[in-house]
Formats: sequence, C-alpha cells, structure tokens
Amino acid sequence: AQSVTQLGSHVSVSEGALVLLRCNYSSSVPPYLFWYVQYPNQGLQLLLKYTSAATLVKGINGFEAEFKKSETSFHLTKPSAHMSDAAEYFCAVSLNKFYFGSGTKLNVKP
Amino acid sequence: DAMVIQNPRYQVTQFGKPVTLSCSQTLNHNVMYWYQQKSSQAPKLLFHYYDKDFNNEADTPDNFQSRRPNTSFCFLDIRSPGLGDAAMYLCATSRRQGTTGTDTQYFGPGTRLTVL
Repeated sequence: AQSVTQLGSHVSVSEGALVLLRCNYSSSVPPYLFWYVQYPNQGLQLLLKYTSAATLVKGINGFEAEFKKSETSFHLTKPSAHMSDAAEYFCAVSLNKFYFGSGTKLNVKP
Repeated sequence: DAMVIQNPRYQVTQFGKPVTLSCSQTLNHNVMYWYQQKSSQAPKLLFHYYDKDFNNEADTPDNFQSRRPNTSFCFLDIRSPGLGDAAMYLCATSRRQGTTGTDTQYFGPGTRLTVL
C-alpha cells in the first residue's frame, strides 16, 4: 500500500526566508503526486501536481516541487516566504484513491 | 466559475439527532468524495461515488451514509451523531481517468459540524 510521510508537523520560517516542506512516498512510483494548501476553516486548494511530464513542477503562489525518484521525494519549496503563506500543507499520492501525508503547518514570522 | 459548493458551512446538531450535509458541483465530474477531517489531521476518506456506483471505505462507521441523486449533488447523512463525529466534512470531485489513478481532486470549502 502507498504511504506518504511528511517530515515535520510544524515548520517556522521568517518572512522572506526559504520555505522547504518535505514529502516522501513509498517506493512504487505513483501516477500522480500533489501538494495542497489548507487555510483555517477552508477546504484544500491545489498548489501543484506531478504527472511525470517534468520533474520540476511549478505551482501557484510561487511554490514549486521537485520529483526525485532516487530519493522517493517530492519536496515543496518557495524562495521567499510571505505572511500569507501561513497555512497547513498536505502532500498526496494518487492510485485508486488519494493517500495524504499527515500535514505540515507552516508558520511565518514577521 | 466551475466549483464545488458545500452547505451549510457550519452545522450544529444535538447528540443523536440526524443531520444531512450537502455538496454540489458544476465541474461535471464523475467522482464525488466525502472526507472527514479532525483538527490537525489529514482528511480521512469515508466513501466515494463513481457515477452511481457507491464505494464505502472498510473502516467507515455504519452511522455514515451517502446519497447521490444526480451527477451534480451528493449528500452525507449522519444517522445518530456522537461527540466523536464533530469534525470538518469535506466534499471533493474528480474525473476518473482509466484505472491507473485518480486525477486532481477539487475540494469544497467544507462543513464544520458541532455536536452538542
């Protein structure tokens, strides 16, 4: 069965600093990988999606993620954090259904 | 804009009193999902409909049921809510592309259920 691991349930960065949120999936390559963002009392919003067309995927709000098969990773990055990026982020893999990671709450300090 | 709509956004019910949450979509997607999400946890899939075919997750309690009267609407019925059922309930939709995987899921804003 697929599993998704997000290292760090809480990440705190200063405004303007690099954001790195980690996601690792179990070894069989899934058809699709996703990052979603969730703001308080909201649903999940798609940030970006990997479909094997390109290993570096660009998403909304300046986020991007790189698929690394050798490391079974799909880490999310943003060069410069903004206060509005404070939210919870979920990595997910897709087979017959979605398998979500446990989520990482991003705090952005002024 | 095409979207997933959930009503109400906030629902308060009493212990044991049946409650129905609704979801509608204008995306014309084949698949509709219901998730339960508790505080600081990932969404947990309860069940989904692929067209009219209902698919229940093995660990979904019998207390939870669903109806999909047409492509656009899907309902979540909680027959006898307990205190442990207080959570955010998320509806999502997707197109199913063959059997190799589920495409992007689009989520509604959620309904936060409080059980008194």
